[in-house]
Amino acid sequence: NAGVTQTPKFRVLKTGQSMTLLCAQDMNHEYMYWYRQDPGMGLRLIHYSVGEGTTAKGEVPDGYNVSRLKKQNFLLGLESAAPSQTSVYFCASITGSVVNTGELFFGEGSRLTVL
Amino acid sequence: KQEVTQIPAALSVPEGENLVLNCSFTDSAIYNLQWFRQDPGKGLTSLLLIQSSQREQTSGRLNASLDKSSGRSTLYIAASQPGDSATYLCAVGGNTPLVFGKGTRLSVIA
Repeated sequence: NAGVTQTPKFRVLKTGQSMTLLCAQDMNHEYMYWYRQDPGMGLRLIHYSVGEGTTAKGEVPDGYNVSRLKKQNFLLGLESAAPSQTSVYFCASITGSVVNTGELFFGEGSRLTVL
Repeated sequence: KQEVTQIPAALSVPEGENLVLNCSFTDSAIYNLQWFRQDPGKGLTSLLLIQSSQREQTSGRLNASLDKSSGRSTLYIAASQPGDSATYLCAVGGNTPLVFGKGTRLSVIA
């Protein structure tokens, strides 16, 4: 059981480039989340999804887009990367049939550097 | 808006000591509270999940308590070991997605 898998694990971009982070979970979870973690700022929610075909904005959504075309996958896109988006990105999915009542499982993280 | 605070930000203890990590939250209308462990360069691993109707949860040397009315949770670690060194985060779930504290960085010295 792989759990939550993120790809790529490391990436270096130049300002203005675009990229997509992929999150895949094999636990049949409905809810999936993208967080970013920065020193001194803790974990902040970027976007989340409550099911296939749905997305919603979190605390810091600007500069990011997401898609949930398949239940098991949640993609995070950066259309025009900026140095302020240098961070470690974590994907998570949650058990349970009611939002925010289950146990949260995290991927290993994707470290992104924007030069 | 829910705010979660963890004090202290860092803690260093000698091996074998029992210790308590604190988590406080501003809105008591929560569904659950979850404690995580994060090792350097790694993702978060769930330690304990306490539903709003529960007072505590135990797993091995770990015991987490929840007092909704006072907006507090504690994580008790018994007989600490160097392998317990990590950052411990709490997160609360309510009407909005989980809100995280900034964590307590624990160092257990052999």
